[in-house]
Amino acid sequence: HSALTQPPSVSGSPGQSITISCSGTSSDIGNSDRVSWYQQSPGTVPKLLIYEVTERPSGVPDRFSGSKSGNTASLTISGLQLEDEADYYCSSFTRTSTIVFGTGTSLTVL
Amino acid sequence: QVHLVESGGGLAKPGGSLRLSCEASGFSFGDYYMTWTRQAPGKGLEWVAYITSDGAGKYYADSVKGRFTISRDNAKKTMFLQINTLRVDDTGTYYCARWRGGFDFWGQGTLVTAS
Repeated sequence: HSALTQPPSVSGSPGQSITISCSGTSSDIGNSDRVSWYQQSPGTVPKLLIYEVTERPSGVPDRFSGSKSGNTASLTISGLQLEDEADYYCSSFTRTSTIVFGTGTSLTVL
Repeated sequence: QVHLVESGGGLAKPGGSLRLSCEASGFSFGDYYMTWTRQAPGKGLEWVAYITSDGAGKYYADSVKGRFTISRDNAKKTMFLQINTLRVDDTGTYYCARWRGGFDFWGQGTLVTAS
């Protein structure tokens, strides 16, 4: 199963909003409500930001939000902060009950 | 609190074997799916395998199918990953994580190097 497609990098200024896309197929994102997003800062373990497309675990700021349309999922970060600079990964359950990650996106906060 | 600790990584020759362990605490281990994910140096995340709460269901990425075996011992709150026929491209940090709609808690990882 091929990795989900994410832009290699995005950037934004503090206070702005950015959106990271995650493109899949009808065999994964398009057919699954188990889409999740992760933040990984350098040298640290990935952290769950969004699960089941739109749900936020306790402790994750509401500046982070998730959505899905067709075969594409999106992560929006509003009110960008310097501490948001990290790598971001999407993930989806697939039709064959496996799991696939996205290619990853590096966020730079200018 | 939820705590996951991996062990068993190290240096092994291509073609060799390793057995990774993930010891859990702070939650009802037998109620959750558990997973392995790896990350090659400087690269992205790659899902490896997951196992259902009762151990009956096991699913693998195509890249490891037939070489890796996932298992668990709910009484000992421990999950395992048996790695056989190790390849150079298996090198990376292996993380265990709890699955609950997403990978909600991760261990610190154990480094596997095939060289």
